[in-house]
Amino acid sequence: DIVMTQSPLSLSVTPGEPASISCRSSQSLLHRNGYNYLAWFLQKPGQSPQLLIYLVSNRASGVPDRFSGSGSGTDYTLKISRVEAEDVGVYYCMQALQTPGTFGPGTKVDIK
Amino acid sequence: EVQLEESGGGLVHPGGSLRLSCAASGFSFSSYWMNWVRQAPGKGLEWVASIKQDGDEKYYVDSVKGRFLISRDNAKNSLYLQMNSLRVEDTAVYYCARDLCSSISCRPLGMDVWGQGTTVTVSS
Repeated sequence: DIVMTQSPLSLSVTPGEPASISCRSSQSLLHRNGYNYLAWFLQKPGQSPQLLIYLVSNRASGVPDRFSGSGSGTDYTLKISRVEAEDVGVYYCMQALQTPGTFGPGTKVDIK
Repeated sequence: EVQLEESGGGLVHPGGSLRLSCAASGFSFSSYWMNWVRQAPGKGLEWVASIKQDGDEKYYVDSVKGRFLISRDNAKNSLYLQMNSLRVEDTAVYYCARDLCSSISCRPLGMDVWGQGTTVTVSS
């Protein structure tokens, strides 16, 4: 099974400042079709998770462009260019190379 | 409006059974892979099971294999999760979630539509 890890596990950010979350997989997420099967989700307090990014760097519908994803192989990063108050919650990376996939432990983001 | 609504959660004793349902609306249900994802109290997310558009492919996390069965009825726009031999560690909020994958040739990518979840509590 592919194990996902994230760092940091918690992050306190100042509004307007950038933020970055790292995600690492225990094996490469590159499929033979050339795509890396890595997604990012945000679960806001009291809400269901929402998809932010899929296939490493594709923003889901309605996701602001301050969110961006990058990486390949086993190392991935989610960046928020300018954090807003509405971005608080827990961020999860998830591998979809294997079905069902596995989520990382989550990174809790709050506002300073 | 695209919506998923789960039902069927509740309190059950260890060893018991429950059947969760998910009613889909606002999209072509039969075109999408569908999933169940759970979240134990205060914990992270766990992808439980997935089913292909036609129901011919099904996948389960190891911890539920042989106990849970995912199914769908495309005529009724509904997804199901039959849960047998329930354990205390199955206690969680169970989410029904649509996958981005909407063609017969694609593979699951991630869940772009989620329900509000239904709570399953396994306790004596």
